[in-house]
Amino acid sequence: GQQLNQSPQSMFIQEGEDVSMNCTSSSIFNTWLWYKQDPGEGPVLLIALYKAGELTSNGRLTAQFGITRKDSFLNISASIPSDVGIYFCAAPTYSGAGSYQLTFGKGTKLSVIP
Amino acid sequence: NAGVTQTPKFRVLKTGQSMTLLCAQDMNHEYMYWYRQDPGMGLRLIHYSVGEGTTAKGEVPDGYNVSRLKKQNFLLGLESAAPSQTSVYFCASSFSGRFYGYTFGSGTRLTVV
Repeated sequence: GQQLNQSPQSMFIQEGEDVSMNCTSSSIFNTWLWYKQDPGEGPVLLIALYKAGELTSNGRLTAQFGITRKDSFLNISASIPSDVGIYFCAAPTYSGAGSYQLTFGKGTKLSVIP
Repeated sequence: NAGVTQTPKFRVLKTGQSMTLLCAQDMNHEYMYWYRQDPGMGLRLIHYSVGEGTTAKGEVPDGYNVSRLKKQNFLLGLESAAPSQTSVYFCASSFSGRFYGYTFGSGTRLTVV
């Protein structure tokens, strides 16, 4: 199946620092999604990207859809303690008969040191 | 709206026991999914459904069965639990599998001893 390679696996940063993470694949996608999972909860959609080169912001979060359509990036500016969690990239893959499923990266675990 | 509700939240099973995990959504979504999450492995799709009465296998379907008798419910069954099925299970639903992303439940933590 198609794989999404997410890096880094984990990050420890000081409060106030900026964060960058990325997701790459050998396959081309038409949509990239970024989710955040708080401890003990299910993932929640942060940002959806639908066009190559697109740059979309949601508060302190900014995500980009790579020009090659094989990668995506997520940046968090001025991190705060509530940014702690696991960040997943995801992309829909065609599974036949007109249906799609989301494939997820393995996640980037973010820890923020106050 | 409750969104996606999973029951139970926690469960401990003995090897060989069976159980059913229930997922209910109130958003009139066509698509429903079951994922398992293991440390360092991300979210892996077990089974999914594109509508009432339909089910299909995902990436890791072995040892699990599913049913979608009603549009709002998606059941995940373990017929004979094994320690390898110790995991956190997430249900999700979506209007479309392609563009709208998924709404996840808060998970069921299953331990098989």
